Amino acid sequence: ETGVTQTPRHLVMGMTNKKSLKCEQHLGHNAMYWYKQSAKKPLELMFVYNFKEQTENNSVPSRFSPECPNSSHLFLHLHTLQPEDSALYLCASSQDFRTPVTDTQYFGPGTRLTVL
Amino acid sequence: GENVEQHPSTLSVQEGDSAVIKCTYSDSASNYFPWYKQELGKRPQLIIDIRSNVGEKKDQRIAVTLNKTAKHFSLHITETQPEDSAVYFCAASRGEVFGAGTILRVKS
Repeated sequence: ETGVTQTPRHLVMGMTNKKSLKCEQHLGHNAMYWYKQSAKKPLELMFVYNFKEQTENNSVPSRFSPECPNSSHLFLHLHTLQPEDSALYLCASSQDFRTPVTDTQYFGPGTRLTVL
Repeated sequence: GENVEQHPSTLSVQEGDSAVIKCTYSDSASNYFPWYKQELGKRPQLIIDIRSNVGEKKDQRIAVTLNKTAKHFSLHITETQPEDSAVYFCAASRGEVFGAGTILRVKS
């Protein structure tokens, strides 16, 4: 349960605030992911970093800005969010994300974000 | 891109009965199909997975079958127990495209 950690666990912010979500993995993995989980919607992949390089950006609005300084840390910088951005933001990691390699993803506990 | 559909959205079974959840995918290049269980307030955790070169895999009461021709795969849980109650997600492509989830309730 401590392989992938996320902070903070809960965050309430106004639409004009700037905040950051942090994810850290202690599994020696090279790929890290951000997902958005909203009620009654599938887990939505937002970003993928493989060996610190961004390999996927699923048409995510620019008010979400990821940063991956090394293979163990992943950030999601938030600014001028909308109420509809309220959701659970999950971080995950896996060994590698290069085709044709396929890997189990290990999820963090998530950050419950509420935008007022 | 890949699209994954999952059915049913909710499933109620009696303790001891079997539960089956089915997912269909659109991209024939998908090669990894994991299943995750997410209990209330907790993170998704892998329960079983299958790769495209295998048709079936079993782990105790849980099994997954893959039909590449029809592009669907299914999760089978036998002898269900109340602790199996959770939301189950399938995924496809390289394991990063998820279905909408199935709420499984096991009644005792």
